[in-house]
Amino acid sequence: EAQVTQNPRYLITVTGKKLTVTCSQNMNHEYMSWYRQDPGLGLRQIYYSMNVEVTDKGDVPEGYKVSRKEKRNFPLILESPSPNQTSLYFCASSFRQSTEAFFGQGTRLTVV
Amino acid sequence: KNQVEQSPQSLIILEGKNCTLQCNYTVSPFSNLRWYKQDTGRGPVSLTIMTFSENTKSNGRYTATLDADTKQSSLHITASQLSDSASYICVVSSRRSYNTDKLIFGTGTRLQVFP
Repeated sequence: EAQVTQNPRYLITVTGKKLTVTCSQNMNHEYMSWYRQDPGLGLRQIYYSMNVEVTDKGDVPEGYKVSRKEKRNFPLILESPSPNQTSLYFCASSFRQSTEAFFGQGTRLTVV
Repeated sequence: KNQVEQSPQSLIILEGKNCTLQCNYTVSPFSNLRWYKQDTGRGPVSLTIMTFSENTKSNGRYTATLDADTKQSSLHITASQLSDSASYICVVSSRRSYNTDKLIFGTGTRLQVFP
């Protein structure tokens, strides 16, 4: 089954403790991206990757890092999480940036 | 400023009724327009994607229209079902450079269908 898989689905952590949210897709898509969704603000792009070893900042990249060492994986790294990073995070992939995007099921992160 | 505005913010209808959701955008240059359905706590799922030359596109009971001149789109849901209860997000893609688009998201319309 074609899908985008995020882990974990839920995470509660403390301020300053590094964490990684994994994202994997099995559709051989070139383009992958991370979004955060907050009430009343809609989805906002954090980082995106056009292909392996090619990443770039989105609209709200501060406090986040990403890597794209393999085509299927695009982890989101929070080196020192802060409470304002409490949010619902989505990973998405598509064949090209201009084509239909497939989203993961989301990761609800709470930073206390 | 590139913006996507959706209306209404929320909508309640009875099962079996039709409804129309609106999306107005001020995005340029335009690449395509997408409608997504997002169930509570889950990832968005694509309904339609329309390019400049497409006026209408259907996906089952969902029909999207696009007027590129007035920069408006609508999503019409026919014979609503309880499972249509969700948020519907309009997303406009703006072409930045060759093969590079920027997605601008609306904040969504929350639809509730009651029996």
